[in-house]
Amino acid sequence: GENVEQHPSTLSVQEGDSAVIKCTYSDSASNYFPWYKQELGKRPQLIIDIRSNVGEKKDQRIAVTLNKTAKHFSLHITETQPEDSAVYFCAATTAGSGNEKLTFGTGTRLTIIP
Amino acid sequence: ETGVTQSPTHLIKTRGQQVTLRCSSQSGHNTVSWYQQALGQGPQFIFQYYREEENGRGNFPPRFSGLQFPNYSSELNVNALELDDSALYLCASSPGQGLGEQYFGPGTRLTVT
Repeated sequence: GENVEQHPSTLSVQEGDSAVIKCTYSDSASNYFPWYKQELGKRPQLIIDIRSNVGEKKDQRIAVTLNKTAKHFSLHITETQPEDSAVYFCAATTAGSGNEKLTFGTGTRLTIIP
Repeated sequence: ETGVTQSPTHLIKTRGQQVTLRCSSQSGHNTVSWYQQALGQGPQFIFQYYREEENGRGNFPPRFSGLQFPNYSSELNVNALELDDSALYLCASSPGQGLGEQYFGPGTRLTVT
């Protein structure tokens, strides 16, 4: 089955600086890679995703890159703000396979220092 | 808001008891997945339902069972509760169509004593 590893487990950055979170996956059949943000006591919120036919996707201050050959994908947050503080999870699945279970990484606790 | 709702919000049960958790999927979504999230961990896949049929299962014992109804709402049932079942139970709905996107509800916090 799929295995997703995520690094780092904790990350502290100064407000205004950039943050990068990296994930690797094991199953070459995986083709959909979402990122979720989970604030304390709240639901995981889908913030951006990327499919295997695309190498990069950007949405305002957030971007995701995918390297299919190396089986890794990364989340980039620029111009970080205090409200970016949360736990971020990467995930992978094989969309269109009939069983689209998400396999999650272990999470990164991002703290933005004002 | 994603439109996915879950009930109850919190629940305290005793070891050996049974529990039923409920989920209403987002309008237009026909697929529901359930996940268990232990404290400090990522969500772990329990099972998925598509048009009232179980469509995949994770590494959870048979005492974890589920249902999906014609309106695509869903239930998660756990029998013979164990202390390790204490966790946040999340339901996620998706529009199907092979897109992969899943939107989570707020979860039910289950505590087993």
